[in-house]
Amino acid sequence: DAGVTQSPTHLIKTRGQHVTLRCSPISGHKSVSWYQQVLGQGPQFIFQYYEKEERGRGNFPDRFSARQFPNYSSELNVNALLLGDSALYLCASSRQDLYEQYFGPGTRLTVT
Amino acid sequence: KQEVTQIPAALSVPEGENLVLNCSFTDSAIYNLQWFRQDPGKGLTSLLLIQSSQREQTSGRLNASLDKSSGRSTLYIAASQPGDSATYLCAVSNSGYALNFGKGTSLLVTP
Repeated sequence: DAGVTQSPTHLIKTRGQHVTLRCSPISGHKSVSWYQQVLGQGPQFIFQYYEKEERGRGNFPDRFSARQFPNYSSELNVNALLLGDSALYLCASSRQDLYEQYFGPGTRLTVT
Repeated sequence: KQEVTQIPAALSVPEGENLVLNCSFTDSAIYNLQWFRQDPGKGLTSLLLIQSSQREQTSGRLNASLDKSSGRSTLYIAASQPGDSATYLCAVSNSGYALNFGKGTSLLVTP
């Protein structure tokens, strides 16, 4: 079975631009979560979606938004990019709450 | 606010040694705890998941224990190999979905 997939792998953007990151969960998984990992730190929780509804949001500004589609894939959008948004963005999927989470390879975002 | 701490931050051992990685958390009202492995610049690989009602989980050379009352978990790696070199992350869930991560332990196993 295919694991969690994310696109693109790498991305370079300029301050003030907008970016969209994409995630496809493991088949049969209905929950998708997004995390931000800056160098040398553990991942920080951004959003969780389950059955297309937002279930949780971490301590991130409104510039960050996400959605989940009927096929359970998800997009993370970031507006008005700042240098501090440079990070590895990780997507995780699970069957439902309390279940093991499986992570994708991540999208490396560099903001210049 | 849940705080997760991992000790040591870095560890270097010769091949073949048994080793223990430590994780502590401040809020014991957790649903589960998960250990991950991360290779440089890569995503996370799930190693073990322990539900709050469980005391330990085993997978191959890995054994993870959970003492919820004291806010501690350990990951035991038996007979370490150079291929075990990676960063090991501990994460706890207080909500059933969002994971709170430690900063990780960077492990180097030398031949």
